[in-house]
Amino acid sequence: DTGVSQDPRHKITKRGQNVTFRCDPISEHNRLYWYRQTLGQGPEFLTYFQNEAQLEKSRLLSDRFSAERPKGSFSTLEIQRTEQGDSAMYLCASSLIAELSSYEQYFGPGTRLTVT
Amino acid sequence: AQTVTQSQPEMSVQEAETVTLSCTYDTSESDYYLFWYKQPPSRQMILVIRQEAYKQQNATENRFSVNFQKAAKSFSLKISDSQLGDAAMYFCAYRNTVLNFGNEKLTFGTGTRLTIIP
Repeated sequence: DTGVSQDPRHKITKRGQNVTFRCDPISEHNRLYWYRQTLGQGPEFLTYFQNEAQLEKSRLLSDRFSAERPKGSFSTLEIQRTEQGDSAMYLCASSLIAELSSYEQYFGPGTRLTVT
Repeated sequence: AQTVTQSQPEMSVQEAETVTLSCTYDTSESDYYLFWYKQPPSRQMILVIRQEAYKQQNATENRFSVNFQKAAKSFSLKISDSQLGDAAMYFCAYRNTVLNFGNEKLTFGTGTRLTIIP
């Protein structure tokens, strides 16, 4: 068990550019979540997947944001036409939803996005 | 919608002493989970302790314990024998128990930054 990994750890981009982040969950976990954390705030839910199906999207996820989880393994979060307000830490978490599991969400180290 | 409030942006404690972090929440549900997560500087968030709302007994994990007051919707974290490694942001979080559509997300408070004084 290598834990949840995210890549890149840091991303600096200019306003208007597109960025893509990757999350690799714990291998047997079937649920994958994306959260956004701005300075001085707790993480806020963005979206989550059950295997490859995206089951819920927060209203925070504007149409410039898109998330995918092809084949139910890793996930990508893309932000198009970035704005300065997109600057934040993007956290990924995974969990195992199965009988007798704790449903605990395990978090990755996050990708810190800075939009200049 | 559920809300979680942490009214202490910062706390400090002498090493080896005890500190209590406060959390209140609001929900119309009768059954749910409450969590305390620890986020060390530049490191990933880890679960410290979990409480199921239907359990009257307060959860304990080694030096960490909670005071769960369901009627008051209060969920405080007590750290005993504080250690330098306890320095971190601590987040209180809420989750519904029903694992249906729309019920899985964690709702977090704004966090409390805990400093340990040597």
